Amino acid sequence: EAGVAQSPRYKIIEKRQSVAFWCNPISGHATLYWYQQILGQGPKLLIQFQNNGVVDDSQLPKDRFSAERLKGVDSTLKIQPAKLEDSAVYLCASSVTSGTQAEFGPGTRLLVL
Amino acid sequence: AQTVTQSQPEMSVQEAETVTLSCTYDTSENNYYLFWYKQPPSRQMILVIRQEAYKQQNATENRFSVNFQKAAKSFSLKISDSQLGDTAMYFCAFMSRNAGNMLTFGGGTRLMVKP
Repeated sequence: EAGVAQSPRYKIIEKRQSVAFWCNPISGHATLYWYQQILGQGPKLLIQFQNNGVVDDSQLPKDRFSAERLKGVDSTLKIQPAKLEDSAVYLCASSVTSGTQAEFGPGTRLLVL
Repeated sequence: AQTVTQSQPEMSVQEAETVTLSCTYDTSENNYYLFWYKQPPSRQMILVIRQEAYKQQNATENRFSVNFQKAAKSFSLKISDSQLGDTAMYFCAFMSRNAGNMLTFGGGTRLMVKP
């Protein structure tokens, strides 16, 4: 089966600009996660969807970050405006509802200058 | 909220030897899974091994095995016959089945396998 797809793979922007990332989970996976991974650290959950509903977004900086999964399939994560500290890898992962593990995409590496 | 702690930021091992990575976690739940994920340099996060909390038997996957101590909330990973391709970041993770499969990661251990 096809894995979790993410695009773009790399993005360089200047601070205060906007950026959007896209994720297409594995077919049939109802749960979708967005993680932020700063260099040398473990992934931090930003938001978790179950189909098109939000399960947890307690660590999402809502003044600048937004995410949606309108049809319960693919998802976009947006940062507006970006700050230097947003430089990180943004990982998307998915799992089945009653599943036992999450599968990860290759990530989007963001550099904010 | 669950927390996952990996107390070893970096470790190294000689090729063909055995190494153990440590992980502890904190939870009040009984229904959960534990995982070890591997993240090679600049490459994708992949699952190494998983453990269901209700199973007493420790999980094994070829050269990888875990020591799951539920009462102590400890979940270590043993890599036997280490290979150069095992060089990577290793993350311990906790999945809460009571909270919609919420997945929490530790800070990671960087493992270097030396020839």
